[in-house]
Amino acid sequence: DTAVSQTPKYLVTQMGNDKSIKCEQNLGHDTMYWYKQDSKKFLKIMFSYNNKELIINETVPNRFSPKSPDKAHLNLHINSLELGDSAVYFCASSQGNSPAYNEQFFGPGTRLTVL
Amino acid sequence: AQSVAQPEDQVNVAEGNPLTVKCTYSVSGNPYLFWYVQYPNRGLQFLLKYITGDNLVKGSYGFEAEFNKSQTSFHLKKPSALVSDSALYFCAVYEGPARQLTFGSGTQLTVLP
Repeated sequence: DTAVSQTPKYLVTQMGNDKSIKCEQNLGHDTMYWYKQDSKKFLKIMFSYNNKELIINETVPNRFSPKSPDKAHLNLHINSLELGDSAVYFCASSQGNSPAYNEQFFGPGTRLTVL
Repeated sequence: AQSVAQPEDQVNVAEGNPLTVKCTYSVSGNPYLFWYVQYPNRGLQFLLKYITGDNLVKGSYGFEAEFNKSQTSFHLKKPSALVSDSALYFCAVYEGPARQLTFGSGTQLTVLP
């Protein structure tokens, strides 16, 4: 009965590879997010989708491409991985796209290590 | 741009003692403020939020936060700490035009038995 799930939990890969992280929520929410948490635990939003449409696209390299096949899924594809991409990536969801009023539910995170 | 600051990277408190985790904010309009908690190897969990109204906001797990407009602060408090409260705590502010949460740098709370 996991609310927001991510796969894989851990991802270790070589520089230059392409990888994807999947996120699914079973809460019936219409908005989903990707956050990046660096080694100092600093958390920053990357993308936000509402009803499968991109509404937030922070300044991230265009090697990062989110894809939302439906409201329950938001996947993150990363091309040409670099050492600096190593981080924990969190998916989150909410009902409504106003974080002021709509609590965000976070997944358990995917720890990406680029060697 | 709106921002929050958490001046303490680490807070240690003895079990049973009151705890305070500090947060100050900088916003151009009315603040929308939040506290989230992150347990080891887990995602963030919502604790409480302030949008308007009573300056003392009550949240999950016995936590509360006090909004102080004159000091631009939103400190998280609990009267009696538990070892299980040990976690990483994030303060966040809502940025209206960007429709996103901006998080502070986090404070690691350790409750000692």
